[in-house]
Amino acid sequence: IVLTQSPGTLSLSPGERATLSCRASQSVSSNYLAWYQQKPGQAPRLIIYGSSSRATGIPDRFSGTGSVTDFTLTISRLEPEDFAVYYCQQFGSSPWTFGQGTKVEIK
Amino acid sequence: QVQLQESGPGLVKPSQTLSLTCTVSGDSISSGSYYWSWLRQPAGKGLEWIGRSYINVSPNYNPSLKSRVTISLDTSKDQFSLNMTSVTAADTAVYYCARRQRWKWYFDLWGRGILVTVSS
Repeated sequence: IVLTQSPGTLSLSPGERATLSCRASQSVSSNYLAWYQQKPGQAPRLIIYGSSSRATGIPDRFSGTGSVTDFTLTISRLEPEDFAVYYCQQFGSSPWTFGQGTKVEIK
Repeated sequence: QVQLQESGPGLVKPSQTLSLTCTVSGDSISSGSYYWSWLRQPAGKGLEWIGRSYINVSPNYNPSLKSRVTISLDTSKDQFSLNMTSVTAADTAVYYCARRQRWKWYFDLWGRGILVTVSS
């Protein structure tokens, strides 16, 4: 399953809303869709699992929605620590695959 | 607190075998609670899942790498390893080990990663 994320880069200011898209080449159960945040020099960090459940310790400004082939990660009000690269990932079909990432950068 | 730590050579010559180890501290690989995976990320690029292993079950590999990759568990040391044969410059990447809990569909714990460069 190919995951296509858009946009490639999102230039926003702190306090603004970020909407990240992940589109799958075929249907993925919402149970099998996760989002990760990655900062430079660090391993990815789980943000959302099951397409809409926040991982432990993730603030409620992060939310995930979607089903079938279209999934969205929303950050309601960007904080300085949220500027990073975000990846979606599917476990619906092996091989497990990731999107190419969306970079959220400071405008 | 459970931690994963990758180790191995940072430089491998072309055509040789890349060998990495992930040490699990604070948990037992043989508990049967987790799947243990390897992933990689070339500089400036996205993530690629390489394969996973589980106690007493044959490993599962990404078809794009299957012919060159072996993942094995050492329960006596709480380690799992990655061997990748016939490496080329295209295999230069940061390699991560990660775990996934049974019946959970996400990687909840990652190692810090290790940079492996393939160069003569």
